[in-house]
Amino acid sequence: DGGITQSPKYLFRKEGQNVTLSCEQNLNHDAMYWYRQDPGQGLRLIYYSQIVNDFQKGDIAEGYSVSREKKESFPLTVTSAQKNPTAFYLCASNSGQNYEQYFGPGTRLTVT
Amino acid sequence: QKEVEQNSGPLSVPEGAIASLNCTYSDRGSQSFFWYRQYSGKSPELIMFIYSNGDKEDGRFTAQLNKASQYVSLLIRDSQPSDSATYLCAVLPSGGYQKVTFGIGTKLQVIP
Repeated sequence: DGGITQSPKYLFRKEGQNVTLSCEQNLNHDAMYWYRQDPGQGLRLIYYSQIVNDFQKGDIAEGYSVSREKKESFPLTVTSAQKNPTAFYLCASNSGQNYEQYFGPGTRLTVT
Repeated sequence: QKEVEQNSGPLSVPEGAIASLNCTYSDRGSQSFFWYRQYSGKSPELIMFIYSNGDKEDGRFTAQLNKASQYVSLLIRDSQPSDSATYLCAVLPSGGYQKVTFGIGTKLQVIP
């Protein structure tokens, strides 16, 4: 089955620790995205990548980093510099030809 | 001014009624418009997209686009309790480079 996987589903970390969220897709999509969702707010774009070895900052990139070494993988690192990291993190992709985005199941990160 | 605006709701409709969800956007040059359904605790699921003025129907769902008035709506006919979810409107602005902007979503409650 084609799709987007994110792991883990739930993640707990202590304040001051970096943490990496996994996103893998087997849809052969060129473009991949990371969003953050907080209660009462829409999805906010953290980073996106339109092609391997290239990525751009979204609207709220501070405190986050990404890499795109393979077409199917786009991991997100939440660094200790991110002031409010507790949120629901969503990875998405699209084919680059159409604009519809498809989402993974999400990772719920809690930092205490 | 928010780029994509939605009433957060909740919008309550009785089972079997038509639910009407609305979205306005600020960028007159926006190209593509999407509706996602998000169940509580889950990731968004694409249910409709529309590119041209007018109506687009898919089963019980109809998307309506009026570019002159800068609004897009989603009608759900014969609403079912299983339609109870948050509906996110997403817009690809002009020069969007595949970066869509999401509204905060409208929570729909279908009352049995």
